[in-house]
Amino acid sequence: DQQVKQNSPSLSVQEGRISILNCDYTNSMFDYFLWYKKYPAEGPTFLISISSIKDKNEDGRFTVFLNKSAKHLSLHIVPSQPGDSAVYFCAASARETSGSRLTFGEGTQLTVNP
Amino acid sequence: DAGITQSPRHKVTETGTPVTLRCHQTENHRYMYWYRQDPGHGLRLIHYSYGVKDTDKGEVSDGYSVSRSKTEDFLLTLESATSSQTSVYFCAISEVPPREPGQPQHFGDGTRLSIL
Repeated sequence: DQQVKQNSPSLSVQEGRISILNCDYTNSMFDYFLWYKKYPAEGPTFLISISSIKDKNEDGRFTVFLNKSAKHLSLHIVPSQPGDSAVYFCAASARETSGSRLTFGEGTQLTVNP
Repeated sequence: DAGITQSPRHKVTETGTPVTLRCHQTENHRYMYWYRQDPGHGLRLIHYSYGVKDTDKGEVSDGYSVSRSKTEDFLLTLESATSSQTSVYFCAISEVPPREPGQPQHFGDGTRLSIL
């Protein structure tokens, strides 16, 4: 039972354009969401997060949008750069589990072409 | 970078043998986690620890055990390795539950385990 789903295994965009990565969840108890970026042969690194009390959080070129009614979040990268090429994971946590655990999606491979 | 060391970084072993992976941290963080990463599944939680000698199961804990006898070390053991446990294993740490703003989990660089 995949509670966090990233339905696009891969995405390719041109440098300078917008990258939009999507994530859907099924567990209505999830109330905190995170995005991680992963380069080959390295561990994931934290990118940005959002609490369910907000619908948008921005950090430089990265913006995360949350649509609670649709149980959907998205990560926007503007403008995209070749160094953004990586696997992106969304993750979620629920207060009912004391917030200690994260549930991850399958990941989306982003390729930014020069 | 968070001080997390996973060892070994690569291991090849045979079915039926015991395997222990080690995660060592120098951050004195309370929470430690073991994940496995497989194509099409993303990162799945195996076990986690919320303090010395305090551990709990994750979503794919069958066939794995863990121990945490001191804050800095979290060991993952495959008692009798099977080919289905071939994967990349990641350790992560966090000071507080990773839902606190500005307090995410930090990951090690992974252990690639192949079971033949």
